[in-house]
Amino acid sequence: AQSVSQHNHHVILSEAASLELGCNYSYGGTVNLFWYVQYPGQHLQLLLKYFSGDPLVKGIKGFEAEFIKSKFSFNLRKPSVQWSDTAEYFCAVNARGNTPLVFGKGTRLSVIA
Amino acid sequence: SAVISQKPSRDICQRGTSLTIQCQVDSQVTMMFWYRQQPGQSLTLIATANQGSEATYESGFVIDKFPISRPNLTFSTLTVSNMSPEDSSIYLCSVEAENYGYTFGSGTRLTVV
Repeated sequence: AQSVSQHNHHVILSEAASLELGCNYSYGGTVNLFWYVQYPGQHLQLLLKYFSGDPLVKGIKGFEAEFIKSKFSFNLRKPSVQWSDTAEYFCAVNARGNTPLVFGKGTRLSVIA
Repeated sequence: SAVISQKPSRDICQRGTSLTIQCQVDSQVTMMFWYRQQPGQSLTLIATANQGSEATYESGFVIDKFPISRPNLTFSTLTVSNMSPEDSSIYLCSVEAENYGYTFGSGTRLTVV
């Protein structure tokens, strides 16, 4: 069975700081990888996803993630965060073939002025 | 990508009663997934609903407590039965959308008193 580990429970950054959120997964086969964001009081939104091809994936709002197969990692990055990036971030993985997503525990990002 | 209409958006229920949550998708999908997000936690898969067959439940979730219907390829319901305060959570449905990752409904925030 798959599992997802997000290393940071709560990250606090100042505006304009760079962001990197760690995500490692455990699964021996081919996987799809996702990052979702949940703004306060809102539902989940897809930030970016990786299915195949270029391991560096660009998503919405300036976010990107890099799939490193040898490390079973899919870390999320943003060069300069804004106050509006304050949210909960979830890494998720599924095996190929219409299988359900398995989520990490989430990382709460607080961006302060 | 698929658009999901989920209702009710929120409800406050008395313990011992049941609540049925509905999800309507604007396109035909093979599988629908039901998740629970307990306060301050990540998403946990409850079950996978395939049209024309019984839902497949994850460990810790049983059909008597969370009966699911899937009468056609665009609709599903999840019932939370004999509720207790521990069932207070956000319940979400999700579908896989080709090339768009997974789409989530806006969620049902359930409070059991």
